[in-house]
Amino acid sequence: AQSVTQLDSQVPVFEEAPVELRCNYSSSVSVYLFWYVQYPNQGLQLLLKYLSGSTLVKGINGFEAEFNKSQTSFHLRKPSVHISDTAEYFCAVSASGRRALTFGSGTRLQVQP
Amino acid sequence: DTGVSQDPRHKITKRGQNVTFRCDPISEHNRLYWYRQTLGQGPEFLTYFQNEAQLEKSRLLSDRFSAERPKGSFSTLEIQRTEQGDSAMYLCASTQSGGEYNEQFFGPGTRLTVL
Repeated sequence: AQSVTQLDSQVPVFEEAPVELRCNYSSSVSVYLFWYVQYPNQGLQLLLKYLSGSTLVKGINGFEAEFNKSQTSFHLRKPSVHISDTAEYFCAVSASGRRALTFGSGTRLQVQP
Repeated sequence: DTGVSQDPRHKITKRGQNVTFRCDPISEHNRLYWYRQTLGQGPEFLTYFQNEAQLEKSRLLSDRFSAERPKGSFSTLEIQRTEQGDSAMYLCASTQSGGEYNEQFFGPGTRLTVL
């Protein structure tokens, strides 16, 4: 079985500041890793994914994440946030060969002017 | 491509009543998933279909829950004898099989409130 831990339930940050949202996972098999964003009253949207290859992956809206196998982490970063980045962010894993996603509990990013 | 749609968007019901939700996936997608999201938590997997076959069910899917995808297109999720603990957002996602991993596209969800 897999599990995902998002260490921060809320992250307040000022506009144009950098941000890092932390994600750690646990799995006995190799996994695929994802970050999703959920805006109020909307469905989940994929930000980026790691399947294999380069451990630094770039996604939409200027976000990037780095896969660290030894630390079982997949932290999400953005060098300069905007007010419009205010949303809930979910880290998720899928064991290779299994199709369902296992999500973390989410991190609410609050960007302040 | 209109995306994944779900109906209704909101449902309020009394404890003990039955409810049914519908999900219409993206038209060419053959895989369809149901997830449940309670307040302050991430989505939890319930079940998934490939075409009309239900291939996996979570232990969260109690006997009161049943899902169908009769023609491999839209899907329904029925909850019988609803309980207050069933109050949650029910999310549907779809994807096309093939390749290493294909993105799941999520619908806006159906928010269920059981009084």
